[in-house]
Formats: sequence, C-alpha cells, structure tokens
Amino acid sequence: SQQGEEDPQALSIQEGENATMNCSYKTSINNLQWYRQNSGRGLVHLILIRSNEREKHSGRLRVTLDTSKKSSSLLITASRAADTASYFCATGMNRDDKIIFGKGTRLHILP
Amino acid sequence: DARVTQTPRHKVTEMGQEVTMRCQPILGHNTVFWYRQTMMQGLELLAYFRNRAPLDDSGMPKDRFSAEMPDATLATLKIQPSEPRDSAVYFCASGLHTGSQTGELFFGEGSRLTVL
Repeated sequence: SQQGEEDPQALSIQEGENATMNCSYKTSINNLQWYRQNSGRGLVHLILIRSNEREKHSGRLRVTLDTSKKSSSLLITASRAADTASYFCATGMNRDDKIIFGKGTRLHILP
Repeated sequence: DARVTQTPRHKVTEMGQEVTMRCQPILGHNTVFWYRQTMMQGLELLAYFRNRAPLDDSGMPKDRFSAEMPDATLATLKIQPSEPRDSAVYFCASGLHTGSQTGELFFGEGSRLTVL
C-alpha cells in the first residue's frame, strides 16, 4: 500500500519558473526523501529530510517537512529543460524502517 | 564509481517459466530493497533485507515469488511460475542503515520483465 501520495500527478511549466510538488503521508516517519527518475532509468536520490527538521536546501532544491500535517513539499527553482522527469517522495517508516514510495509527479519543463 | 548492478536488464519469457533477477548491492551497504514499478501501481515494495536477513516480504505474492541474499554481494528475486500480470520493471536498491534509520537509497537500472 502507498504511504506517500504526491500532488499534482503531472505538472507542466515554462523553463525558468519554479516547480512545487507536494507529498502527504499517513503514519509516523523517521525521514522523508525525494527522488528523481528519468524515463527508463533507475531512481536517483535528491535530498533527505529527517523528522526533526523543517526545511532543507540543496542547490536549486528546497524541501519542507510538516510532521503535524504529515506533508512535505519539494520546490525546484529556476527550472531547466533537464529537470523534466518524475519525482517521488519516499517515507522511512518509524516502526520498521521500511521505505515506501508514492506514485510520483511527472514534471515537464516547456522550452 | 560504486553502483547497484542488476541483471538481466530485459527479459521476455512465456507464462509458466521461472524468472530469476539478480542484484549486486554497493559494497558496504547493509540494507537491500526490491521494488516493482508499473504504471498502475507505481513503486511497490516487495521485500527488504538487512545484513542479509529478510525483514519483510509481505509485499510479495508468496506462492510464486521468493527473495534471498545468499551472500552480501548478491540478492535474488525469483518468480516461479511467472504470469503476464508480473510484467513490470523490478528495481533493486541498497542503502546503509545506521542508528535507527536508513539513509539514501541507490537504485539499479532495473530489470524489465515481460511475460507473454
């Protein structure tokens, strides 16, 4: 069963704009991670935020975590054509450390 | 350049045949996950191991799927007999569990299975 659910399912924006993706989850977590997947490839880790952290930055990425609302957001600033991919959130479960993925957001950057 | 290696990359087989997928995790990683990806279901967790011991395989159809780690450098996922509904991309990922949690996962390129 899915733990995380991303929103929106698909997003198209112009190059240079910011892209925001959201993730909601159901149960207590150790950490939350965001991954990227290019078509036909394996997933690549982007950023990990621990349950006691509220915000984290990495280059053009900004992740927030609100454990009271059981939600996270991924912001990609100044988007580029190369950012076109699917983005997944993954929750590290508190109880047994399973890592469960959502269904992802398909991001398309228009030139 | 450390990476997770999966074989085969592509497999086409007929219903009823046995399929074995292999994964070489990154040296030093103590946790291995198997996921299945389809358009409809997304990424489903099938099984995971820590220090070669199976921790959870509740995501697998028990009657036909089995997962093992014969040694620290090899994880296997076997389907016997295979069915058309098993057609999917199967991913292996490894990571390091320290303290109370596992950090980032490193994924292989996947094994694309088609069962006719």
